[in-house]
Amino acid sequence: DIQMTQSPSSLSASVGDRVTIACRASQGISNYLAWFQQKPGKAPKSLIYAASRLQSGVPSNFSGSGSGTDFTLTISSLQPEDFATYYCQQYNSYPLTFGGGTKVEI
Amino acid sequence: EVQLVESGGGLVQPGGSLRLSCAASGFTFSSYWMSWVRQAPGKGLEWVANINQDGSEKYYVDSVKGRFTISRDNAKNSLYLLMKSLRAEDTAVYYCASGVAFQIWGQGTMVTVSS
Repeated sequence: DIQMTQSPSSLSASVGDRVTIACRASQGISNYLAWFQQKPGKAPKSLIYAASRLQSGVPSNFSGSGSGTDFTLTISSLQPEDFATYYCQQYNSYPLTFGGGTKVEI
Repeated sequence: EVQLVESGGGLVQPGGSLRLSCAASGFTFSSYWMSWVRQAPGKGLEWVANINQDGSEKYYVDSVKGRFTISRDNAKNSLYLLMKSLRAEDTAVYYCASGVAFQIWGQGTMVTVSS
């Protein structure tokens, strides 16, 4: 199984900050990586697929990069509605696996 | 509007069975792989199973193999998850999601396995 490791597990930030979340795969997954945002009590929301492609309707202050084993989600200027938990997920091979999540707090 | 709506969750005793449903609308359901993803209380996300467009390919996480069965009815734009021999560790919110990269998510349905 491919293990997905996110860092940090939580971070404190302020509105306007640039935030970077890392995701590392235990083996190469090409660009078969997605990012999700989840707010308390809500379903996850897709932000990025294929490592760097923004889902329709997702603000442009979100961006993704990376390939192989190391990936990054960047929020260029944190907005109040961006405080949430973020997950990465690989879909290169089965079982499909998620990272443990990164909670972005004030 | 693109939408997935799950139903069928509830309280079930250990060893019992439950069938979840997911109704799709607003997109061409028959063109997409479909998945079930779960989230135990206070925990992260776990992929459970998925199925290809015509139902000929199915994949499961090891912990549910032999107990859960994923299926679909393209004529009804619906996805299903039949869960048998339920255990306490199956307690979670179950989401249906589109594709293997989970582009669209439902609101989830809670399954509680407890005596």
